[in-house]
Amino acid sequence: QKEVEQNSGPLSVPEGAIASLNCTYSDRVSQSFFWYRQYSGKSPELIMSIYSNGDKEDGRFTAQLNKASQYVSLLIRDSQPSDSATYLCAVNPGNTGKLIFGQGTTLQVKP
Amino acid sequence: GAGVSQSPSNKVTEKGKDVELRCDPISGHTALYWYRQSLGQGLEFLIYFQGNSAPDKSGLPSDRFSAERTGGSVSTLTIQRTQQEDSAVYLCASSLAARGNEQFFGPGTRLTVL
Repeated sequence: QKEVEQNSGPLSVPEGAIASLNCTYSDRVSQSFFWYRQYSGKSPELIMSIYSNGDKEDGRFTAQLNKASQYVSLLIRDSQPSDSATYLCAVNPGNTGKLIFGQGTTLQVKP
Repeated sequence: GAGVSQSPSNKVTEKGKDVELRCDPISGHTALYWYRQSLGQGLEFLIYFQGNSAPDKSGLPSDRFSAERTGGSVSTLTIQRTQQEDSAVYLCASSLAARGNEQFFGPGTRLTVL
């Protein structure tokens, strides 16, 4: 079992729709969770961090965390073609410095 | 302010040569991380520094890989006797402190070993 799992996609949504990206993790003691966006040929860009159960909203983005189910999600409201990218889920396992990344989900927003 | 910077942006080398990759973190960030990203392996952790010490080197693939950080700032990742499987994008990130802090990535160094 991979430590951090994501559906590779592609996930295709029409412009203006809600995109829902999901991630599961295996280490129960993980405390910190992050979503990065990566455009083709570019480095990952941090878009959300979440540390507590529940929802965290930032503009069009909402991160959701459920530690009991070991599940993290990212919702993108009013999706735009410029949101088309690969979204990486990252987990900080235990009490270490490193991040463990999922393989990423490719999102395509069609005009 | 300035983000994480890395140099060179691209490096092409011959198999068996040594290479040095440089990372300059965001000013004031005490933690610095090295990752690499390749098509088959995704984004994988290599090593991180808190200050000048490296509490976790568990991701270094072999003893050909080493890294150092001096003055709590710039870090150098050295790959000796490069192999074709070392070809990847090497990414550096920094954070205010380790352990759960948000990490911000530099633009990466694309290494190609011929």
